[in-house]
Amino acid sequence: DVKVTQSSRYLVKRTGEKVFLECVQDMDHENMFWYRQDPGLGLRLIYFSYDVKMKEKGDIPEGYSVSREKKERFSLILESASTNQTSMYLCASSLAGAHNYGYTFGSGTRLTVV
Amino acid sequence: AQTVTQSQPEMSVQEAETVTLSCTYDTSESDYYLFWYKQPPSRQMILVIRQEAYKQQNATENRFSVNFQKAAKSFSLKISDSQLGDAAMYFCAYRRTAQKLVFGQGTRLTINP
Repeated sequence: DVKVTQSSRYLVKRTGEKVFLECVQDMDHENMFWYRQDPGLGLRLIYFSYDVKMKEKGDIPEGYSVSREKKERFSLILESASTNQTSMYLCASSLAGAHNYGYTFGSGTRLTVV
Repeated sequence: AQTVTQSQPEMSVQEAETVTLSCTYDTSESDYYLFWYKQPPSRQMILVIRQEAYKQQNATENRFSVNFQKAAKSFSLKISDSQLGDAAMYFCAYRRTAQKLVFGQGTRLTINP
């Protein structure tokens, strides 16, 4: 069964900490995405990557950065966590060119910043 | 920029009844794809159904079907014979060819036994 795996299901961090959210996919997908999910706002795109070492800003990149050193792994980094970054974070991947197949998602990481 | 709007934050339906979830979108493109995703309490996003804009025929997957009105930019999801396992958040999403998925705000569906 193909999978997108997010390393943590729940995470509690302190304000100002550097936070790493890890995502690994085993489907050899070129494209990977990080979304943030908040009630009433749906899913909003933070960053995405179409290839190794490539990254592009999504709709809400402020306060975040990403790293993609290997094809299967896409990391989201909160350089200095703040309480307004408390949210659900979803990682997704997709095959390049397969526009009609949507994305495969991980199970999410619920991050609380205190 | 493309936007997707789900105007029903919450919906409820009796088990075995039919329910329709609404979705509208804004685009100036003619070639694109539309999706409905389900997110149960497990948080795993599951693709329910998809529709290519160039196809006039509405997509159907078992008890799930869509009403795609391209001119009205409307893409509603109909769930027939609702089951308790259908309870979830439902997200409508739009994608134009190689571009990223844009999601609506979501509709929380409750199934009453």
